[in-house]
Amino acid sequence: KQEVTQIPAALSVPEGENLVLNCSFTDSAIYNLQWFRQDPGKGLTSLLLIQSSQREQTSGRLNASLDKSSGRSTLYIAASQPGDSATYLCAVRFQGGSQGNLIFGKGTKLSVKP
Amino acid sequence: SQTIHQWPATLVQPVGSPLSLECTVEGTSNPNLYWYRQAAGRGLQLLFYSVGIGQISSEVPQNLSASRPQDRQFILSSKKLLLSDSGFYLCACLAGGSTEAFFGQGTRLTVV
Repeated sequence: KQEVTQIPAALSVPEGENLVLNCSFTDSAIYNLQWFRQDPGKGLTSLLLIQSSQREQTSGRLNASLDKSSGRSTLYIAASQPGDSATYLCAVRFQGGSQGNLIFGKGTKLSVKP
Repeated sequence: SQTIHQWPATLVQPVGSPLSLECTVEGTSNPNLYWYRQAAGRGLQLLFYSVGIGQISSEVPQNLSASRPQDRQFILSSKKLLLSDSGFYLCACLAGGSTEAFFGQGTRLTVV
């Protein structure tokens, strides 16, 4: 079964810390992996997309890595700010899945304290 | 880039009443469109997807249905709502030639 797991479920850090969010998936046959941010009661905002042939992607203070063979991805947030507080979701598009369907983890709820 | 509109943002409906949620997409043509549901404490679950007008695939058996009357319009419906239909409904778009998915702002449905 194709599954995505995110650890930890929740994380609280003081402002300024660097942090890592983890995502693991059960099948290495993927098209891509996408990280999203979700604010309470809101939709999903795409942060980074990593194709299966790529090892990492960067956008500002965010860096996402992909190790397809081990079924893992990490989202690194540098110099965290209170505005980074949100739920971060990892989603994988597996080969052989429904037309472009993303399989989501349950997310990591991040709280950055001032 | 594409923009996804969903409405309404929130909805409270009695058990047994009908439902119609609408999603429209701007900035692209012939996209793949998806309806997801996000229940409290659970991940996002794919309900329906569509690769073109009139083409609907259902991922899970349920009380809901979907339709795609126009290229950039996707509608989620129910004839009679159940309490278990409560949740946060999200529309997503995968534009032609792109592999990056974009989401709307969602509709919070509470069935009472």
